[in-house]
Amino acid sequence: SAVISQKPSRDICQRGTSLTIQCQVDSQVTMMFWYRQQPGQSLTLIATANQGSEATYESGFVIDKFPISRPNLTFSTLTVSNMSPEDSSIYLCSVEPAGNNEQFFGPGTRLTVL
Amino acid sequence: ELKVEQNPLFLSMQEGKNYTIYCNYSTTSDRLYWYRQDPGKSLESLFVLLSNGAVKQEGRLMASLDTKARLSTLHITAAVHDLSATYFCAVDNPRDDKIIFGKGTRLHILP
Repeated sequence: SAVISQKPSRDICQRGTSLTIQCQVDSQVTMMFWYRQQPGQSLTLIATANQGSEATYESGFVIDKFPISRPNLTFSTLTVSNMSPEDSSIYLCSVEPAGNNEQFFGPGTRLTVL
Repeated sequence: ELKVEQNPLFLSMQEGKNYTIYCNYSTTSDRLYWYRQDPGKSLESLFVLLSNGAVKQEGRLMASLDTKARLSTLHITAAVHDLSATYFCAVDNPRDDKIIFGKGTRLHILP
């Protein structure tokens, strides 16, 4: 398994500002993912964070809005840029450790945009 | 495109009863997951099912997988209030190894 922490756990932000969410894992992992969970909804994959290269974004998500960094094998950040109330969601990072057949999820960051 | 459908989406049931949540998916896959999410919390991994006919049990929960029918079930036996949560199934897309989530089943067990 993997122990994952996220910062901040929650935040309330003003429209038009940006927030950077951090994800730290207790072991080196190749695959790290960022998900969004809108209120009462399921999880939607935003992007796969690749170490040493650009993140791979899913349809409907773009780098300008959700820039991602992956400086090493234990850490990643997701920035939610130029926020609007529609960005209010829980943002979760997850990892799939090598040799594991499952993904483990961080505790999530609950974002409210006013 | 891989689609994952769960039903029911909402379920209210009495303690002590049995019930089953269904998860259908649209294309071939060799990995299926069940997660639990409590309100305001992250996802907790319950089961990983890797092969046709796989059955796993943990306490009052039992999950099974039929890859030919593209169907997984999560069976709840003699439900207790503590099992109230949202349950998600998720399926691995063999094309890109990303997992696709169902919409979740919100389970409310009445004491």
